[in-house]
Amino acid sequence: DGGITQSPKYLFRKEGQNVTLSCEQNLNHDAMYWYRQDPGQGLRLIYYSQIVNDFQKGDIAEGYSVSREKKESFPLTVTSAQKNPTAFYLCASSQPGGDTQYFGPGTRLTVL
Amino acid sequence: QKEVEQDPGPLSVPEGAIVSLNCTYSNSAFQYFMWYRQYSRKGPELLMYTYSSGNKEDGRFTAQVDKSSKYISLFIRDSQPSDSATYLCAMTPAGSARQLTFGSGTQLTVLP
Repeated sequence: DGGITQSPKYLFRKEGQNVTLSCEQNLNHDAMYWYRQDPGQGLRLIYYSQIVNDFQKGDIAEGYSVSREKKESFPLTVTSAQKNPTAFYLCASSQPGGDTQYFGPGTRLTVL
Repeated sequence: QKEVEQDPGPLSVPEGAIVSLNCTYSNSAFQYFMWYRQYSRKGPELLMYTYSSGNKEDGRFTAQVDKSSKYISLFIRDSQPSDSATYLCAMTPAGSARQLTFGSGTQLTVLP
C-alpha cells in the first residue's frame, strides 16, 4: 500500500534535548512538507522540500531543522532552541504539478 | 486578516441532521478547493476536491464553491456519529500544492 508513515506516534522529550521525527513516503512524490498543529490554530508550515537535497523555510522554521537526502524521507529535528515544542506534527507530500497534499498519521510530541 | 477564515465551532448536531460547514477567503487567485477530514489524533484525509465554482456531490457529501462571493461550503446529509471530526478547508492557485492554504478547522460532533 502506498502512503506516508510517521514515527513514532507519541514522543516524550526532556527540556534541552533535540529529537528527530521520522517521515517516509512511498508515493513517489517529489515534494514533502512538515506542519505543526496546535489547538485552534490550524496547520502552520515549518519546512518544505520540492526536491532532494533542497528545502525551504516555512512560516515557523525557528528551532527546527530538516534534511532531504532521499526522495522517500524527510526527517524533522526539533532542537532545544524551539521554545514551545509540545504539539502535533504532521508530514505531507505532493506529486509534481499537483494541487493537493496527502498527510501522514502525525506524531504527538510532548516536552516534559 | 487571514487569507482563509473558518468558524472553529465546536458544532454539535443530532444524528440525521444536515450539516453545513463554511469557509471564506480573500485571495481571488484561488482556483482549487478542498475539504479535509481529521479524526482526533490522526492526520487529515482528503474528503472532497473541486475546481472553480459549482457543486460536487459524493454520497452524503456536497462541496459548493461560489467564487463571486469567495465562499465555499461542505454539506453533510444524514449525518452519522462517524462523521464526528474536525473539517479543514484548503485552497490553492492552479497547480500549486506548495501554496495550499488551510482554514483553521471546524470541530463537528454528531450526537447519537
